Amino acid sequence: NAGVTQTPKFQVLKTGQSMTLQCAQDMNHEYMSWYRQDPGMGLRLIHYSVGAGITDQGEVPNGYNVSRSTTEDFPLRLLSAAPSQTSVYFCASRTSGPGEQFFGPGTRLTVL
Amino acid sequence: AQSVAQPEDQVNVAEGNPLTVKCTYSVSGNPYLFWYVQYPNRGLQFLLKYITGDNLVKGSYGFEAEFNKSQTSFHLKKPSALVSDSALYFCAVRVVNSGNTPLVFGKGTRLSVIA
Repeated sequence: NAGVTQTPKFQVLKTGQSMTLQCAQDMNHEYMSWYRQDPGMGLRLIHYSVGAGITDQGEVPNGYNVSRSTTEDFPLRLLSAAPSQTSVYFCASRTSGPGEQFFGPGTRLTVL
Repeated sequence: AQSVAQPEDQVNVAEGNPLTVKCTYSVSGNPYLFWYVQYPNRGLQFLLKYITGDNLVKGSYGFEAEFNKSQTSFHLKKPSALVSDSALYFCAVRVVNSGNTPLVFGKGTRLSVIA
């Protein structure tokens, strides 16, 4: 099992550019989510999905879109990057039961 | 709404001494509680969880945590700290039997173990 994978590991964007952060899991988990991590802020939930075709907003959804066309993949789209979106982004997945959440290695994004 | 508080941004402890990292939570209902650790430039690794049953939960790397329902706390403990335990620790909570409810994290506590 590869677990949760994320690409790219690093990315630099200019203000106004768009991009997609990729996330995939091979554990057949129903539940997937995206967090951003900023110093002193902990992990804040951006969007999450409870299954293919179902997504919902988290705490900080503005400026981000998601879709879930398959169980395995949950990409995060930045529509028009802003410096405030400079952060480390983590994708995670889990089953719907009491099991723990598994995290990807993260994507470090810098928006200039 | 559910929330987690980690009241200490930083905890310093000497190697070999016991360590405690504090966590309190607020949920409507019964909680699932988790601790994660993050080493520099890495993702989050699962340490332990409380689901039900025994209030003292044992996890990876010699860590344990005690669930206290009356105090709504889930403090992380280790009897003898190692320098290699230095990392960022996150407490997280979600409500029991709420499959759609996201996992909510505290802001993290940076543990520094000094040789």
